Amino acid sequence: QSALTQPASVSGSPGQSITISCTGTSSDVGGYNYVSWYQQHPGKAPKLMIYEVSNRPSGVPDRFSGSKSGNTASLTISGLQAEDEADYYCSSYTSSSTYVFGTGTKVTVL
Amino acid sequence: QVTLKESGPVLVKPTETLTLTCTVSGFSLSNARMGVSWIRQPPGKALEWLAHIFSNDEKSYSTSLKSRLTISKDTSKSQVVLTMTNMDPVDTATYYCARMIPDAFDIWGQGTMVTVSS
Repeated sequence: QSALTQPASVSGSPGQSITISCTGTSSDVGGYNYVSWYQQHPGKAPKLMIYEVSNRPSGVPDRFSGSKSGNTASLTISGLQAEDEADYYCSSYTSSSTYVFGTGTKVTVL
Repeated sequence: QVTLKESGPVLVKPTETLTLTCTVSGFSLSNARMGVSWIRQPPGKALEWLAHIFSNDEKSYSTSLKSRLTISKDTSKSQVVLTMTNMDPVDTATYYCARMIPDAFDIWGQGTMVTVSS
């Protein structure tokens, strides 16, 4: 199972919006609405930000949103803030009843 | 409060078997539609899903590591155990356990760093 493809880095200024893509295949991202997104600050464990494509867990700011079109899922951060600087990973359920993570994206707040 | 905590050796030798334990609190391993996964992250690299086990004892393994992994649970002890055989230096990583709800990892342990070296 190959890792899902994410851009290595995305940057934006405070207050701007950025979008991180996560590209898979019809056997994972495109085949199921079980895409989730995780934020990881240096030296910390990942934190769930979005599950089932577009649902936010309690406590996650509503400036984080998720969507999916075909084999590509996206995470959008609106009103970018300094504390959003972190690594972000997507994950998807697969047709093999396994899970796969993305290659990871480093978000920089300029 | 839901917590998960990983424990196990910090250092293992090549060819040895790694045994990691995830001790959970705040929820039961018998809760319907909940499970526990193991995920690892080599230094400076991406996350890699390894295995999961659900309350009904359903198990699944990474296709690339399936031959080396075994996951099990002891509901009475609130523990999930992962064994990985034939360890190699490329298996050096931080190993996390995480609760599954059921298709996302909502609560993560702090992780435990395992180094493979002779």
